[in-house]
Amino acid sequence: GDSVTQMEGPVTLSEEAFLTINCTYTATGYPSLFWYVQYPGEGLQLLLKATKADDKGSNKGFEATYRKETTSFHLEKGSVQVSDSAVYFCALSDNTDKLIFGTGTRLQVFP
Amino acid sequence: NAGVMQNPRHLVRRRGQEARLRCSPMKGHSHVYWYRQLPEEGLKFMVYLQKENIIDESGMPKERFSAEFPKEGPSILRIQQVVRGDSAAYFCASSPGGSQGANVLTFGAGSRLTVL
Repeated sequence: GDSVTQMEGPVTLSEEAFLTINCTYTATGYPSLFWYVQYPGEGLQLLLKATKADDKGSNKGFEATYRKETTSFHLEKGSVQVSDSAVYFCALSDNTDKLIFGTGTRLQVFP
Repeated sequence: NAGVMQNPRHLVRRRGQEARLRCSPMKGHSHVYWYRQLPEEGLKFMVYLQKENIIDESGMPKERFSAEFPKEGPSILRIQQVVRGDSAAYFCASSPGGSQGANVLTFGAGSRLTVL
């Protein structure tokens, strides 16, 4: 079945460092891909999405490009802030309403 | 326009008791989804409902768990005779349905169940 694999955390960075969180997927069709963020004590918020190959999703300085050839959707940010500390989830949808999530990656940014 | 509202935010139950979690979808949304997040894990799909209908319950445990979304009122996830392994965060999401699929899911803040 469809699945999502993302790098284990925690990822610990200093403020203004470059961030990459790897995400790869397995799917039989042409899924849509998502990154969600969960701040401490809160629910999930959609960070960005891409619905077809080579699309780039972007929001709040974060970017991810849908790479069909490598089945990847890595999350990047050029300069992280302390306020970016959260858990990041990669997810896919086979274009139904059901999302399949990765296990999440905790990001900790220190001043 | 209020988002997806879940209550209670925190619920403590002793083993063997019942837990009821409520979810009011966004205004205009008629589709509701429940996900469970076990400690240190990602979210796992449980059930998908429309008003008065269960569309997909493939992620629901076979026993003790049930869900409903009545014509009036919130969706309810019910866990009977809770056990410690039921301790988790339960998230509700809603969508207006249609061809957009998961592209338009909105999540609530979650209900955290602790079983003593």
